[in-house]
Amino acid sequence: DTAVSQTPKYLVTQMGNDKSIKCEQNLGHDTMYWYKQDSKKFLKIMFSYNNKELIINETVPNRFSPKSPDKAHLNLHINSLELGDSAVYFCASSRTRRGETQYFGPGTRLLVL
Amino acid sequence: EDQVTQSPEALRLQEGESSSLNCSYTVSGLRGLFWYRQDPGKGPEFLFTLYSAGEEKEKERLKATLTKKESFLHITAPKPEDSATYLCALPGPHSGYALNFGKGTSLLVTP
Repeated sequence: DTAVSQTPKYLVTQMGNDKSIKCEQNLGHDTMYWYKQDSKKFLKIMFSYNNKELIINETVPNRFSPKSPDKAHLNLHINSLELGDSAVYFCASSRTRRGETQYFGPGTRLLVL
Repeated sequence: EDQVTQSPEALRLQEGESSSLNCSYTVSGLRGLFWYRQDPGKGPEFLFTLYSAGEEKEKERLKATLTKKESFLHITAPKPEDSATYLCALPGPHSGYALNFGKGTSLLVTP
């Protein structure tokens, strides 16, 4: 059983399009995260949700909007995609928000043409 | 400001040649230091968490240690399958405890 899963694995799209990435965890964790890994492989936090409530919103363009329908799911919707959005997006989860181990999904590779 | 700096950026070892990776950090109130391994095309895989200076943890050929300013990931007699990028991370300055990652050390172990 995959603990943290993401769909799709690859996403190739044109500039200006809107796309969504989905994440699900079956670990029973309360907290979920979205990270972005750029072309230099640097991982940076974008958002964090705890029990469906947004608790971190880093300096991310408004075109990015996370949504958590329940505590097992955290989706990322991106409007008006730009070339600079090309990256790998990782979802992660942890049991609580108190600095516990985070478990990562396999990543979604987004390429904007 | 909390910071995480890893060195070296890249390391090439012969199989069996032991070495250490370094993670230097500055943080106001350590809430854990995490080591992850990332293989190409995959998500980071959790290795260790260290919470206090002097703590050590081991897993197969890997041993992580922690002081008040840095952590080391010692690799003893590495094998080619240990080739990966090793990431060090600390819970960030924000209340959400998201991880603040270093830039990683890319390790290549050759036969």
